Amino acid sequence: EPEVTQTPSHQVTQMGQEVILRCVPISNHLYFYWYRQILGQKVEFLVSFYNNEISEKSEIFDDQFSVERPDGSNFTLKIRSTKLEDSAMYFCASSDSRDGYTFGSGTRLTVV
Amino acid sequence: RKEVEQDPGPFNVPEGATVAFNCTYSNSASQSFFWYRQDCRKEPKLLMSVYSSGNEDGRFTAQLNRASQYISLLIRDSKLSDSATYLCVVIPNDYKLSFGAGTTVTVRA
Repeated sequence: EPEVTQTPSHQVTQMGQEVILRCVPISNHLYFYWYRQILGQKVEFLVSFYNNEISEKSEIFDDQFSVERPDGSNFTLKIRSTKLEDSAMYFCASSDSRDGYTFGSGTRLTVV
Repeated sequence: RKEVEQDPGPFNVPEGATVAFNCTYSNSASQSFFWYRQDCRKEPKLLMSVYSSGNEDGRFTAQLNRASQYISLLIRDSKLSDSATYLCVVIPNDYKLSFGAGTTVTVRA
């Protein structure tokens, strides 16, 4: 079964550092997303990406965040100047339509 | 009002029991509805889509009530492996998923 791959599975970084979370969506999918889940809280939408541009973003996705699809296969989330409250599970997802999302297994980001 | 609200539970049930819970959504224009399952510290996985006519997948039955803006999930003959958090997910009229906070189900032997 096709899957969404995320790396690394766990990233520890110091406050103020930049991190890049990587995702390889399912190859024929056209819509890409990042969600996050702070421990004990609900899954929150960050951003959706279609046709090489952001189609929607939440209020969480401020100037600290950016996304890129650099080479047609990878989909990255960059977090600049990380804060303690950025610690969370970050899930990448892809879909071939508005339904049928597949989530990656997530990257656990710990900011210390 | 929250976009998607769920009873957090936990629902503690013995093996073989039936458990059911609901989820309410605030946006009447919402078009797609799902139940996802999430195991501890894992990614959400699609359990089933929810259709207007109601649908069943094995021991799981999902129903949608548009008039009252809620969806439900019923698990029959529950197994130990059904222990998880069940996430109600709604797609309003845009591309993003709106998640409920989840309902925790624990099935005991």
